[in-house]
Amino acid sequence: KAGVTQTPRYLIKTRGQQVTLSCSPISGHRSVSWYQQTPGQGLQFLFEYFSETQRNKGNFPGRFSGRQFSNSRSEMNVSTLELGDSALYLCASSLAPTQATVTEAFFGQGTRLTVV
Amino acid sequence: ILNVEQSPQSLHVQEGDSTNFTCSFPSSNFYALHWYRWETAKSPEALFVMTLNGDEKKKGRISATLNTKEGYSYLYIKGSQPEDSATYLCAFYGGSQGNLIFGKGTKLSVKP
Repeated sequence: KAGVTQTPRYLIKTRGQQVTLSCSPISGHRSVSWYQQTPGQGLQFLFEYFSETQRNKGNFPGRFSGRQFSNSRSEMNVSTLELGDSALYLCASSLAPTQATVTEAFFGQGTRLTVV
Repeated sequence: ILNVEQSPQSLHVQEGDSTNFTCSFPSSNFYALHWYRWETAKSPEALFVMTLNGDEKKKGRISATLNTKEGYSYLYIKGSQPEDSATYLCAFYGGSQGNLIFGKGTKLSVKP
C-alpha cells in the first residue's frame, strides 16, 4: 500500500511569487490535513479537507489556501511568498475527519520550501 | 489558546539506558493523545493513539501512559538503541478545536 506522497520534495522560490504543493493521500483516505514546521516550532495546523470541503482552518493569513479534488488529492497554495514562509510543509491523511475519529494520521515526507 | 508542552526539549543517552519524556496537555474536552516518532529525513510515524484515562500502551521497548484528569502522558523507552534516535512528538486532540495540536517534540539522541 503506497504511503502519502508529497511533491515536490524541495522548492526554491523568490519573494512575491506563488507556489503550489501537492499531496496524494493513502488510497481510501478521504481526510487530508496540512501542517507547517519552522525551526523551533511544533507542527502548526494549516487546514483540513474532507470530501473536497475545508472542514477546519488554522490561524494563517489568507495567502495560504488549499483545495481537495474528488480523488482526495489535495493542493496547498501560498501566494505572495514572504521570507517567513520558508518551512517544511507536511500533509497527513486519515480515514475520516479528525473530528469524528481518534485514529492515527499518516504523514508524507514533506515539501521543503525556501523563499529567497 | 490551547497549548501542548513537551519536556525535555532534547535528551542524550547512552545505548542501553532507559529514558522517559513528558507531554502536558489541556485536561478539559479531551478526546485523544497521539504519540509520533519522527526520524531525520523520514515522515512522522504514529506510535500510539490513547483515548482513555489510565490507558497504557506498549510497542516493543516503547510504552506510554495517559492521565487525562491531570493532563499528562509519559513515553518510556527501555534499553535505548541508536535506532531510537528521533524526535518524539505528542499531539492533543480535543473536541473544541477539531484538529491535532502538536507539541514541539523531544529530540532523543542515543550514543552507541
